[in-house]
Amino acid sequence: DADVTQTPRNRITKTGKRIMLECSQTKGHDRMYWYRQDPGLGLRLIYYSFDVKDINKGEISDGYSVSRQAQAKFSLSLESAIPNQTALYFCATSDLGQGNQPQHFGDGTRLSIL
Amino acid sequence: QQQVKQSPQSLIVQKGGISIINCAYENTAFDYFPWYQQFPGKGPALLIAIRPDVSEKKEGRFTISFNKSAKQFSLHIMDSQPGDSATYFCAASKGSGNTGKLIFGQGTTLQVKP
Repeated sequence: DADVTQTPRNRITKTGKRIMLECSQTKGHDRMYWYRQDPGLGLRLIYYSFDVKDINKGEISDGYSVSRQAQAKFSLSLESAIPNQTALYFCATSDLGQGNQPQHFGDGTRLSIL
Repeated sequence: QQQVKQSPQSLIVQKGGISIINCAYENTAFDYFPWYQQFPGKGPALLIAIRPDVSEKKEGRFTISFNKSAKQFSLHIMDSQPGDSATYFCAASKGSGNTGKLIFGQGTTLQVKP
């Protein structure tokens, strides 16, 4: 089983709909992240959480919200989806430790908004 | 603005050749520079990383070269193999106190021809 699991893997929806992307992890990491990947732009950080009570905005948080339901679960919501939110979304986790810890990514959710 | 600029956008190399991907950064506070490798349908995975106190780091066929004065770093893949065909992202972060926030480059799609 994957250590970082994202659901759904693919989603097609319409403008104005509310969408939730879910991420769960079995790595026991405290830190979790949501990124979006767009061609030619790389990965950009949307939100990150260093523990259950800690939520922080990233580079591009407008139009998104998150919820950290437990250490192992971090969900991303689009309250009213718009076409320019069509992208590949990744959840990642990292350990809390000395120095920079590697981030471990899920396999992504491909989201299309019509 | 893009704080980490990556080039080229795509690269084709013959098997056995050397693949070189370059990144430039602006923020002198960055102190951690990882490279991530992403295969189709998968999330990125840490390949190799360097800190600015060294000019080069080698792991197998993969080498990072770092030029602090020029604010540039590059990934060299020696004896490139078809299995190296993937998208490569450079990244940077600041705060040796482990902020966990990565700024990614735009990505380079590498194709190694047999």
